[in-house]
Amino acid sequence: QVQLVESGGGLVKPGGSLRLSCAASGFTFSDFYMTWIRQAQGKGLECISYISGRGDKIYYTDSVKGRFTISRDTAKNSLYLQMNSLRAEDTAVYSCAKEIYTGSGAAFDIWGQGTMVTVSS
Amino acid sequence: QSALTQPASVSGSPGQSITISCTGTSSDVGGYNYVSWYQQHPGKAPKLVIYGVSNRPSGVPDRLSGSKSGNTASLTISGLQAEDEADYYCSSYTSTYTVVFGGGTTLTVL
Repeated sequence: QVQLVESGGGLVKPGGSLRLSCAASGFTFSDFYMTWIRQAQGKGLECISYISGRGDKIYYTDSVKGRFTISRDTAKNSLYLQMNSLRAEDTAVYSCAKEIYTGSGAAFDIWGQGTMVTVSS
Repeated sequence: QSALTQPASVSGSPGQSITISCTGTSSDVGGYNYVSWYQQHPGKAPKLVIYGVSNRPSGVPDRLSGSKSGNTASLTISGLQAEDEADYYCSSYTSTYTVVFGGGTTLTVL
């Protein structure tokens, strides 16, 4: 069964750090770009970072550049998001997602259930 | 990259058809045939219902269809059913090698 399971969310103070993980199963992890998408309460979806299958192509949205770092471990079939210098506006549900096929133009057919990140003093 | 523009809400009665629009620019919707649509029920992860403008993933009923004209894409749901009540988001690949989403549309089945 193709599945993504996130973990690592929680409550953190402004300026703090968190590391999110996404465990993948049921597909050849190294064949696919993986993406982190967040959704603030009552708001829309935002693509914040993605990484190629080999890890050599990485993207960050402007609001997280220099603060967040995406990585992947093929041996562990896992995707990570290291989040530093967290701000209140980073509060959201963070989900990892997989494209339906490479080159689909970012059509995500598999999503994790999401992990909540709350940045508050 | 600005979000794609969707109406905040649409509604229809069971059996009717509705269309949700998604307007972007020539740098996203108008420039690529990479428009996707997602259905999201409360508390659930988004579900891909259309990709590549008009393709349906396996298991998505053919009552849902997608199209595009210029910088505007559309999702049409015919034969509305109660289970279609959800939030719908469009997305498009962009000229800056990323994906942009619409603000979302709440579909109410009356």
